[in-house]
Amino acid sequence: AQSVTQPDIHITVSEGASLELRCNYSYGATPYLFWYVQSPGQGLQLLLKYFSGDTLVQGIKGFEAEFKRSQSSFNLRKPSVHWSDAAEYFCAVGLLNQAGTALIFGKGTTLSVSS
Amino acid sequence: DAGVIQSPRHEVTEMGQEVTLRCKPISGHDYLFWYRQTMMRGLELLIYFNNNVPIDDSGMPEDRFSAKMPNASFSTLKIQPSEPRDSAVYFCASSLNPQGSTDTQYFGPGTRLTVL
Repeated sequence: AQSVTQPDIHITVSEGASLELRCNYSYGATPYLFWYVQSPGQGLQLLLKYFSGDTLVQGIKGFEAEFKRSQSSFNLRKPSVHWSDAAEYFCAVGLLNQAGTALIFGKGTTLSVSS
Repeated sequence: DAGVIQSPRHEVTEMGQEVTLRCKPISGHDYLFWYRQTMMRGLELLIYFNNNVPIDDSGMPEDRFSAKMPNASFSTLKIQPSEPRDSAVYFCASSLNPQGSTDTQYFGPGTRLTVL
């Protein structure tokens, strides 16, 4: 069955430090992969997505993610974290069928930023 | 565009009562999704529609849950009767046309449901 695993429930990073959030997926076909961010009390906002091609994907707010097929991973990175990046981050895999696309989400990783 | 609109933002009700959550997708979007978010289970897809037709409702937890999309600009998720375990944040999302691609799903702000 298709699934997404985010191994880290909660991560704390110092402001200005680099960040990497892990995501592993289980999917038989070529995956469509997404990272979403959810600020407190808000809906989810798309950070970036991977369909095919270049395995390093650039997103909004300075985020990037790298697709590694051999490791079934799609880790999210940012070189320098800002206090406003504190939020919950969700990795998702898109299941494409004839009818459309449904997203399977990981459980999320909460990012705290310390000063 | 105003984005996906959900109402109410917060709902508190008593066990056994009927609850109706509402969603207005982004104009022109063909797909509408209902998700539920809980601490225990994370974000779960409940049901999604294409051109107002339900495509996959396998995520709907039980018969107490029903969803409709009477037209392209409105959808409801109804719980009757509600139970405390239904307490969660319910999100609605819409996308333009993921057929053959993976168009971005745009999420509403969610409805926080508390069933006492």
